[in-house]
Amino acid sequence: AQKVTQAQTEISVVEKEDVTLDCVYETRDTTYYLFWYKQPPSGELVFLIRRNSFDEQNEISGRYSWNFQKSTSSFNFTITASQVVDSAVYFCALSEGSGGSNYKLTFGKGTLLTVNP
Amino acid sequence: DGGITQSPKYLFRKEGQNVTLSCEQNLNHDAMYWYRQDPGQGLRLIYYSQIVNDFQKGDIAEGYSVSREKKESFPLTVTSAQKNPTAFYLCASSILAGGPDTQYFGPGTRLTVL
Repeated sequence: AQKVTQAQTEISVVEKEDVTLDCVYETRDTTYYLFWYKQPPSGELVFLIRRNSFDEQNEISGRYSWNFQKSTSSFNFTITASQVVDSAVYFCALSEGSGGSNYKLTFGKGTLLTVNP
Repeated sequence: DGGITQSPKYLFRKEGQNVTLSCEQNLNHDAMYWYRQDPGQGLRLIYYSQIVNDFQKGDIAEGYSVSREKKESFPLTVTSAQKNPTAFYLCASSILAGGPDTQYFGPGTRLTVL
């Protein structure tokens, strides 16, 4: 069975600090996909990134970067120079890519990030 | 503007009443999903549908029902059999291209049972 663990329940930082959100996953599949979503106070989940298990290249998008390491089953998310607008709950999710279950997203419990001015 | 709409944003229900949550998408996506979110928890899958007139149970389908009569619509009914229905409900949709495609979410409906 697939599982996603986000061990950090809450993180509080001061604006302009860098912050890393951890995500550890478990799966028996060799083909799988990892996602990060942002949930601002309004409630809607906003898609941030999707990576497949064959692509371990790190990715950078503006102030956001992701570090995917299969050896440690981790897909960590770093925000550089955090801003108040980054305050939200961030979810990591996993979808297996084989069989009939590739519809299923398994979510972690989320990390509440608060960026203080 | 393409997107997913959910209505209403807030919904109050008396115990013992059925209530239907609306979800509509104009993204021409094939698959649609319903999730439930409880405070401090991740999302859990209730039902999903990959094609019109067909749907499958997710992890927590008991006490819920759905229909998929049109590609763009996937309403969720919370029945009186659902023991703890107070939660935030999120609808999502995705294309189907042979692999796990990105699911895009609507703004959610917050249901409170009085």
